[in-house]
Amino acid sequence: GAGVSQSPSNKVTEKGKDVELRCDPISGHTALYWYRQSLGQGLEFLIYFQGNSAPDKSGLPSDRFSAERTGGSVSTLTIQRTQQEDSAVYLCASSSTGETQYFGPGTRLLVL
Amino acid sequence: GENVEQHPSTLSVQEGDSAVIKCTYSDSASNYFPWYKQELGKGPQLIIDIRSNVGEKKDQRIAVTLNKTAKHFSLHITETQPEDSAVYFCAASRRHSGTYKYIFGTGTRLKVLA
Repeated sequence: GAGVSQSPSNKVTEKGKDVELRCDPISGHTALYWYRQSLGQGLEFLIYFQGNSAPDKSGLPSDRFSAERTGGSVSTLTIQRTQQEDSAVYLCASSSTGETQYFGPGTRLLVL
Repeated sequence: GENVEQHPSTLSVQEGDSAVIKCTYSDSASNYFPWYKQELGKGPQLIIDIRSNVGEKKDQRIAVTLNKTAKHFSLHITETQPEDSAVYFCAASRRHSGTYKYIFGTGTRLKVLA
């Protein structure tokens, strides 16, 4: 079946601009996660959605970062007023049970 | 806070040899340990996982061992092939507020030399 998809695959933007990153989870998966992976680093948790519950935003690095999940499926991660340090790969994962997470291919963001 | 240490950061082996990557976790409540393989330009792909009620699990050339007392777990790849070259991440997780929060290691870049 179809895996997790993310778009765009690459995004180049200028400092100060807003960007939106999209994630389509595996059909039927109620849990959705966003992670950030800086060059050569591990994965940093950003935010988690589970069904209709309030999201766990404990990993968001600043109030410039926000995310929403509409209809319990597609999620959008928004970064406002982008900074050069926001350059990274943004990964989305989904899960049916929460235990095993399946990752998408990521969006590579470059802020000039 | 909780953390996972992963070693080595880079590993080069000859094709056909074995590769071992080790991780140590700090949260004794962790009970699920997945391993991911990440190829260049792609997202992490789950290759094997183990739960805390099991000491070892094998899947063809890949095996994972878990020592709960010492709080460490290892990935073993036998008969390595060039296509095994990638970055490998371990993670430790436990149920927290309705989900499993993953703590990832910093990754091991494996190079298999032909």
